Amino acid sequence: DAGITQSPRYKITETGRQVTLMCHQTWSHSYMFWYRQDLGHGLRLIYYSAAADITDKGEVPDGYVVSRSKTENFPLTLESATRSQTSVYFCASNNPPKTQYFGPGTRLLVL
Amino acid sequence: AQKVTQAQTEISVVEKEDVTLDCVYETRDTTYYLFWYKQPPSGELVFLIRRNSFDEQNEISGRYSWNFQKSTSSFNFTITASQVVDSAVYFCALSEERSNSGYALNFGKGTSLLVTP
Repeated sequence: DAGITQSPRYKITETGRQVTLMCHQTWSHSYMFWYRQDLGHGLRLIYYSAAADITDKGEVPDGYVVSRSKTENFPLTLESATRSQTSVYFCASNNPPKTQYFGPGTRLLVL
Repeated sequence: AQKVTQAQTEISVVEKEDVTLDCVYETRDTTYYLFWYKQPPSGELVFLIRRNSFDEQNEISGRYSWNFQKSTSSFNFTITASQVVDSAVYFCALSEERSNSGYALNFGKGTSLLVTP
């Protein structure tokens, strides 16, 4: 089906481990985004990408790495997970300034 | 400084009541976009509406209506005759043309709406 998907949907990991969250979209949107959702903070931008091989930081980028070798994929890597990175992560995409559509989210628990 | 303020953290109403969710935004851009998203208990983010800064016309979609007022920098959302299925967290968001993050969304902290039978 066309749309935007995220995997895994749920992940439990331990402090210090590397974790990669995947995001895939089939709309050929130029822009892709990663947000995290935490109670009391709403959603905050981690990183975004304007096109393949073009990425930039958002509001809360520390501890995260992104890449975009293909237009349809935008993986988010936590190089050394910390408990403060326990959150729900949402990927989104669009062709600006049109509406961003979101993936179903990944719930990450760092023990 | 927060660009989008949703002052109501939680609202509880009884079914069939009307309810208005407030959203106040702050921007220096002349071109910007405002959004409402719904997040039901299942957790996904559902797009409800998008408004650009040049279109102050209010919109109605079934039981949902939106009031956009540039003079007060507000974009309020009203649900008429609320139903239990309207129970969700509702987010207001702002996207600015001149943002340095590619029209990324600035979200309010959300309003949790509980509709009881």
